[in-house]
Amino acid sequence: DTGVSQDPRHKITKRGQNVTFRCDPISEHNRLYWYRQTLGQGPEFLTYFQNEAQLEKSRLLSDRFSAERPKGSFSTLEIQRTEQGDSAMYLCASSSSRILGEQYFGPGTRLTVT
Amino acid sequence: KQEVTQIPAALSVPEGENLVLNCSFTDSAIYNLQWFRQDPGKGLTSLLLIQSSQREQTSGRLNASLDKSSGRSTLYIAASQPGDSATYLCAVNKADSVNYGGSQGNLIFGKGTKLSVKP
Repeated sequence: DTGVSQDPRHKITKRGQNVTFRCDPISEHNRLYWYRQTLGQGPEFLTYFQNEAQLEKSRLLSDRFSAERPKGSFSTLEIQRTEQGDSAMYLCASSSSRILGEQYFGPGTRLTVT
Repeated sequence: KQEVTQIPAALSVPEGENLVLNCSFTDSAIYNLQWFRQDPGKGLTSLLLIQSSQREQTSGRLNASLDKSSGRSTLYIAASQPGDSATYLCAVNKADSVNYGGSQGNLIFGKGTKLSVKP
């Protein structure tokens, strides 16, 4: 088990472009979460999947954001028409519903919108 | 609305000192509380998880306590080392209001305490 992985680790894009990030959770974990972290702040929750079902979405997840977990394994987070305010670290975490909620985080994807 | 506050925002100590980091939360209806470590530009490393029914958890030089009724948790670090320098975050996992005792999933974080341990 190699832990939670995320790809890419860094992404620089121009305003208005679309970007997609990938998260591979720990293999036996059925829950997957996306968070966003800006400089000097704690991570903020974006959305959460149990298996392939998206069960909760934050109001931070505007219409330009979409997340999927099509087969209950890896997940993608897409941002359309990026804005400079989207610049942040995007963190993915996973957990098992059998292990009382402890979440394990990946290394994050650092997005810079120029 | 659950809010998590961490005090102090930054702390600098000499190597070898014992220290306490504080975390407070406004709603005592939590499922568990997790302490994390974050190195600059990196993801989060889970340090300790305390269930709402527990009072404390220990791992090596780390000890975390939880007083749910007063909305407080502390992280105690014994004999600090320069390698402990990082930002420490606490996060609460709110209780499931529909199915009490279950977890709704998302963590609510404080802003962290940036710790610097000087040799």
